[in-house]
Amino acid sequence: QTVVTQEPSLTVSPGGTVTLTCASSTGAVTSGYYPNWFQQKPGQAPRALIYSTSNKHSWTPARFSGSLLGGKAALTLSDVQPEDEAEYYCLLYHGGAWVFGGGTKLTVL
Amino acid sequence: QVQLVESGGGVVQPGWSLRLSCVASGFAFSGYGFHWVRQAPGKGLEWVAFIQYDASNTYYADSVKGRFTISRDNSKNTLYLQMNSLRAEDTAVYYCAKDLLRLVPAGHWGQGTLVTVSS
Repeated sequence: QTVVTQEPSLTVSPGGTVTLTCASSTGAVTSGYYPNWFQQKPGQAPRALIYSTSNKHSWTPARFSGSLLGGKAALTLSDVQPEDEAEYYCLLYHGGAWVFGGGTKLTVL
Repeated sequence: QVQLVESGGGVVQPGWSLRLSCVASGFAFSGYGFHWVRQAPGKGLEWVAFIQYDASNTYYADSVKGRFTISRDNSKNTLYLQMNSLRAEDTAVYYCAKDLLRLVPAGHWGQGTLVTVSS
C-alpha cells in the first residue's frame, strides 16, 4: 500500500514564500509520478493547480510553482495572499492508480 | 463550459449497494478519462477509481477493489460508480473529476454527492 506524505500544517505570513512537499513511500518522486497539486477551501470542491510536476493550468495564479526537490515533489507559493489559506493536496501516479497525499493545511497569518 | 453533476448519494445500511452518477456537459464526453475521488467527513482526499475515455481500462484503489465498479455510457454523457458491500468507512462525499489530457488528471471537478453508510 503506497503512502504519500505531506506536511500536516504550515504557517506563512502574507507576502512571504512557503514550500510544501510530497514524498512517496516507494522512493524518490520523479517526473514519472506525474505530480499534481490541488487546492481545497472549506465547503468547496478541490481545484487543480499544477500537473506533471511544474505545469500550470490556465487558471493557476503565477505565484504558484511546482518542482522536484530532494526526492520529493514540491509546491512553492510566492508572495502569499490571504486567499491562499487552504488545504493543499498532492497526487502521484503509481502505474495506473493514483494516490493522494494526506494534505497540508496552509495558514496565512 | 465544463459541468459535472453528481447524484445518487444517500443514506444506506452496511452491506447495501448504491450507484452514483455523474452527468457531464460542455465538452466531448467520449474523449476524456474520468476519476471518482472521495472525502470522508473532516478527512483528506482519497482517489477511488479511474476509467479511460473508451472504457478499455479501469483502475481502482485497494480499499474498493472488488466492491466498486466504475463505468461510463458515452451515449448519455454519464459516468457511474456502482458501490456494493458498502461499509461505514465508505461514508464520504464522492466527487467525479475529468482529465484534461492523458495523465493530466482531475482538471475539472463536480460538487460531489454525499454517501452515508450507517445502521
